[in-house]
Order: sequence, then C-alpha cells, then structure tokens
Amino acid sequence: AQSVTQLGSHVSVSEGALVLLRCNYSSSVPPYLFWYVQYPNQGLQLLLKYTTGATLVKGINGFEAEFKKSETSFHLTKPSAHMSDAAEYFCAVRVNNNDMRFGAGTRLTVKP
Amino acid sequence: DAGVTQSPTHLIKTRGQQVTLRCSPKSGHDTVSWYQQALGQGPQFIFQYYEEEERQRGNFPDRFSGHQFPNYSSELNVNALLLGDSALYLCASSLGTGDGYTFGSGTRLTVV
Repeated sequence: AQSVTQLGSHVSVSEGALVLLRCNYSSSVPPYLFWYVQYPNQGLQLLLKYTTGATLVKGINGFEAEFKKSETSFHLTKPSAHMSDAAEYFCAVRVNNNDMRFGAGTRLTVKP
Repeated sequence: DAGVTQSPTHLIKTRGQQVTLRCSPKSGHDTVSWYQQALGQGPQFIFQYYEEEERQRGNFPDRFSGHQFPNYSSELNVNALLLGDSALYLCASSLGTGDGYTFGSGTRLTVV
C-alpha cells in the first residue's frame, strides 16, 4: 500500500528565503504524486502534480517539485517565500486508480 | 464552471445523533471521495464512490456510510455520533486515473 511521510510538521522561513518542504513516499508501483495547500478554514487546493514524464514539475504560485525515484522523494520548493505562502501543505500519493493518501502536513510560517 | 460544492458548511450535533453531509462534484467528474480531517492532521480517507457504488473504503467503522446518485452527487452518513467524530469532512471529485482531486471547502462537524 502506498503512504506518504512529510518531514517536519512546522517550517519557518523569512520572507524572501528559500522554501523547502520535504516529502517521501512508499509505493511498490510508479506513483502519482501531488502537493496541496490549505489555508485556514478552507479546503485543499492543488499546487502541482507528477504523473509521468518530466520529473521537475512546476505549479502555481511559483512552487515546483522534483520527483526522485532513487530517493523516493517529492520535495516542494519555492525560491523566494512570500507572506501569502503561509499555510498548511500536504503531500499526497495515488497509485493506479486507487484513492489518494495524504501526509500529516507541514505548516509553513513566513516571518517578515 | 462550478467546483465541488459541500453542504452544510457548519453543523453541530449531539452525541448519539445521526448526520448527513452532501457533496456535488465538479462538472464532468464522476468519482467522489470523502475524507475526515481532524484538527491539526492530514485528511484521512473514508471511502470512494464510482458508478453509484462504494469502490474503496478506508479504516472507518460501519457507522460511516455513503451513497452516490445518478448525477454523481454524494452523501456521507454518520450514525451514533461520537465526540471523536468532530472534524472537517472534505469531499473531493475526480475523473480518470492519475488525476488530482478537486476539493470542496468542507463541512465542519462538531459533536457535543
């Protein structure tokens, strides 16, 4: 069965600094990988997804993630943090036509 | 193009009662998945409906049941409510394999 581990429940960066949110997955078959963002009292919004093809995936709001099969990782990055990036971020994995499984989430705080 | 619509947005129930939550998927989507998100945690998969049948189920008791209608909308029913059922219930719709889910804003259920 597939699963996701997000390293670090809370990440704090200064405005303008690099954002790095870590995600490792477990899957016996090639996975589809996703990053979602959740603002307070809202649902989840898709940031980006990897299905097949190019391993570096660009998403909305300047975020990108790289699928590294050898490391079973799908870390999320953004070169320069903005105050509006403060939110909860969830990594998720989906295999074949099965349901999507989420990590526990990482809360991103951006300091002025 | 309307996204995923959930109703009601907030609900307060008494322990032992029953509750029904509703979801209308994004136009063109045929699969509906339900998730429970407790405070400070990632979404936990409850079940998924496709072609009016429960296709997959997570680790939730039989008190949790659902239904999908011919127009692809769905209901989540929870019987004999417990205090621990208090959470944000998210509905997500999708089409096909490998696609990301589109989430609704959720229903906040409080059991007192």
